Amino acid sequence: EVQLLESGGGLVQPGGSLRLSCAASGFTFSSYAMSWVRQAPGKGLEWVSAISGSGGSTYYADSVKGRFTISRDNSKNTLYLQMNSLRAEDTAVYYCAKGFADILTGYYAFLFDYWGQGTLVTVSS
Amino acid sequence: DIQMTQSPSTLSASVGDRVTITCRASQSISSWLAWYQQKPGKAPKLLIYKASSLESGVPSRFSGSGSGTEFTLTISSLQPDDFATYYCQQYNSYYGTFGQGTKVEIK
Repeated sequence: EVQLLESGGGLVQPGGSLRLSCAASGFTFSSYAMSWVRQAPGKGLEWVSAISGSGGSTYYADSVKGRFTISRDNSKNTLYLQMNSLRAEDTAVYYCAKGFADILTGYYAFLFDYWGQGTLVTVSS
Repeated sequence: DIQMTQSPSTLSASVGDRVTITCRASQSISSWLAWYQQKPGKAPKLLIYKASSLESGVPSRFSGSGSGTEFTLTISSLQPDDFATYYCQQYNSYYGTFGQGTKVEIK
């Protein structure tokens, strides 16, 4: 059974940093692209960032480019999101999501077949 | 960037109704479109991919159609468990854009 478990959310001041983690199990982690998708309170879904199975290719939404860094440790089956220079508009539930395939196979990497339960990040003074 | 627009934003319906939600892309995305269902406080769930392929375990009352820029999600006979918010998503590029969502509520 595929399981994705996010952690690391919390309250942080504007300009601060936070690192999210997503522990994966139930599939061959290194064979699949992974993404972070966020949802601001009462709002819709916004794709944030993606990483290939090997970790060699990364992709970012314009809204977070230069501030967030996605990475993965395939030996630990864990996905990360380092968030720096946080803003109030980054307040959201952050979900990790498994890609349908790896980025090498094309766009199916950005189709999400499993999601974690989410972790709340609140940016406020 | 590809923009996705769903209509309506809210839909009131009764159990047993046939429900249709529309999603339009700002440029052609071929059939690279997915539909997700989200219930309050829960993660989204994949229902349909490649515009019309039903994800394993999803009831057959859900169906999808379309290609290019116009897509629809149809629920043939609305069930109590189907009251939720539905999102379309394009994956025709190295990022994934979601529609703004359609909330299906009880009439």
